[in-house]
Amino acid sequence: DAGVIQSPRHEVTEMGQEVTLRCKPISGHDYLFWYRQTMMRGLELLIYFNNNVPIDDSGMPEDRFSAKMPNASFSTLKIQPSEPRDSAVYFCASSTGTGVFWNTIYFGEGSWLTVV
Amino acid sequence: AQTVTQSQPEMSVQEAETVTLSCTYDTSENNYYLFWYKQPPSRQMILVIRQEAYKQQNATENRFSVNFQKAAKSFSLKISDSQLGDTAMYFCAFAALTQGGSEKLVFGKGMKLTVNP
Repeated sequence: DAGVIQSPRHEVTEMGQEVTLRCKPISGHDYLFWYRQTMMRGLELLIYFNNNVPIDDSGMPEDRFSAKMPNASFSTLKIQPSEPRDSAVYFCASSTGTGVFWNTIYFGEGSWLTVV
Repeated sequence: AQTVTQSQPEMSVQEAETVTLSCTYDTSENNYYLFWYKQPPSRQMILVIRQEAYKQQNATENRFSVNFQKAAKSFSLKISDSQLGDTAMYFCAFAALTQGGSEKLVFGKGMKLTVNP
């Protein structure tokens, strides 16, 4: 299996620009997670989906952030407009279950975003 | 809300030695999972070991073992025979078991481990 695939791996953009991060989960996984990692705040869960439906988006920092999962094999995290404080590594992860059916979460390699 | 605390930001150890990474957590839940993840310089998050809270026996995976103290809410990771490839950030994480639903995986701030030759 190819694992969780994220793109781009690195992006540098100017403040105010729109940023779109992409993720392809592992085939057959019905949970998809978006995490953000910064030095100050560590790893934070932004949003997660179950069967393409957003379940909990309470970690999304503000309205500038949005996430979609149009089908089981693709998700996007969009930041519009971007700000320097959005600079971070964004991880996508997937699993076959959580809660009482908890299984291992597999992470992608991350998208390193720098907003200047 | 659950919290995970890793009080040691950084540690170093000599190759072949044993090192213990500490983690404490706070929760009112009784059923949950605890995890240790490794993040090497490549930034990939790799599951090292996991522990179900209802199991009294400490989990072991080759050179990695945990000391799970439920009453003390402590979950330390022991790495035996440290190898250069163990150099990485290590994250402790918590997930509550909830019936019929899902829970967030809550991470500690991480700890940087360096294994020296």
